[in-house]
Amino acid sequence: GPKVLQIPSHQIIDMGQMVTLNCDPVSNHLYFYWYKQILGQQMEFLVNFYNGKVMEKSKLFKDQFSVERPDGSYFTLKIQPTALEDSAVYFCASRTGTGGAETLYFGSGTRLTVL
Amino acid sequence: QQKVQQSPESLIVPEGAMTSLNCTFSDSASQYFAWYRQHSGKAPKALMSIFSNGEKEEGRFTIHLNKASLHFSLHIRDSQPSDSALYLCAVRTGGNYKPTFGKGTSLVVHP
Repeated sequence: GPKVLQIPSHQIIDMGQMVTLNCDPVSNHLYFYWYKQILGQQMEFLVNFYNGKVMEKSKLFKDQFSVERPDGSYFTLKIQPTALEDSAVYFCASRTGTGGAETLYFGSGTRLTVL
Repeated sequence: QQKVQQSPESLIVPEGAMTSLNCTFSDSASQYFAWYRQHSGKAPKALMSIFSNGEKEEGRFTIHLNKASLHFSLHIRDSQPSDSALYLCAVRTGGNYKPTFGKGTSLVVHP
């Protein structure tokens, strides 16, 4: 089936550094998402993105976060600067959006550890 | 804000058993209800979804929705060891297409 690829699978960085998480969504999908999952907690919505713009962001999407998808390449989540509480697994997802299709296709996640 | 809760947190069943997983939600205006399955270290993958009250069956899996009770469930007939995974329920309210997920039920089916 359709696959979403997330790179890298693990990332360890020092607090205050910048990190970029990359997502290669399903090729014909139009809507893109980031979810954050802290260990032992539920996956929580961060942001969704369509037609080059942020559609909606949650209160977890701090000012230090940004997303973009330049020229239809990777959909990225950038955190600058990182904080200890940013340690989590970040899941990227995409959906086609055509015909009202709502199924999200997820990547396997990037585990971010901020030291 | 939508609250989605799953029960039980974990479940161990023998191969061949019927498994029932539960999900409750808080917003009565919710419109889309889905189950996702996540094998260890893998991506969550959609299993089934439903929009209106009632039941929907696909193979060994049945989803049942009761909006008045703010509850939906997933039933797995003839559970197999390959069904062992984390099961996530998801609920969407309104037109924002950003489903809220539960914490998950960890299912182990032993041979």
